[in-house]
Amino acid sequence: GESVGLHLPTLSVQEGDNSIINCAYSNSASDYFIWYKQESGKGPQFIIDIRSNMDKRQGQRVTVLLNKTVKHLSLQIAATQPGDSAVYFCAESFGNEKLTFGTGTRLTIIP
Amino acid sequence: NAGVMQNPRHLVRRRGQEARLRCSPMKGHSHVYWYRQLPEEGLKFMVYLQKENIIDESGMPKERFSAEFPKEGPSILRIQQVVRGDSAAYFCASSPSTGAEAFFGQGTRLTVV
Repeated sequence: GESVGLHLPTLSVQEGDNSIINCAYSNSASDYFIWYKQESGKGPQFIIDIRSNMDKRQGQRVTVLLNKTVKHLSLQIAATQPGDSAVYFCAESFGNEKLTFGTGTRLTIIP
Repeated sequence: NAGVMQNPRHLVRRRGQEARLRCSPMKGHSHVYWYRQLPEEGLKFMVYLQKENIIDESGMPKERFSAEFPKEGPSILRIQQVVRGDSAAYFCASSPSTGAEAFFGQGTRLTVV
């Protein structure tokens, strides 16, 4: 079946550095992509989204890049802070209904 | 505007008992989604409901699991005759319409002993 996967299960970054989390998706029909942050014991928290008619979108300290040619999605976090430590999930959908989640990347910010 | 409210936050059930998980969507949201998460894994879609209607239940086991979203009151995910394999975190999300951002609740952690 279709799936969303991540290249790196864990990532450690020095505080203040930039981090990049990658995601590969396999459903070429997906037209909506979201990055979520999940802290221990909490629900997923929306970070940023992007639609398939765009290749880049920026938020506060975060940027999402979409490469439809190779079906790749990335989340860039600038000037990382200790509070950025969490598990990050990419998710995709077609028709903006149910989301298909990847397995997650654990980001650890080293003080 | 309160967020998506799920209760209970933690639920312990013995094998064979029933588990009822509740989700109150954000005010004005008529779309509810239920997801299940095992430790160290991503969320897996279970069911998508709109008021009084099940839109997509393709991710929900055919037996023992059911979901409803009545005209009044919260959405309920019901698991009958629970087994140890049902132990997981169950998350609910709501959105105001198709194509809009979905907001997640804090989840219900079900433990079957």
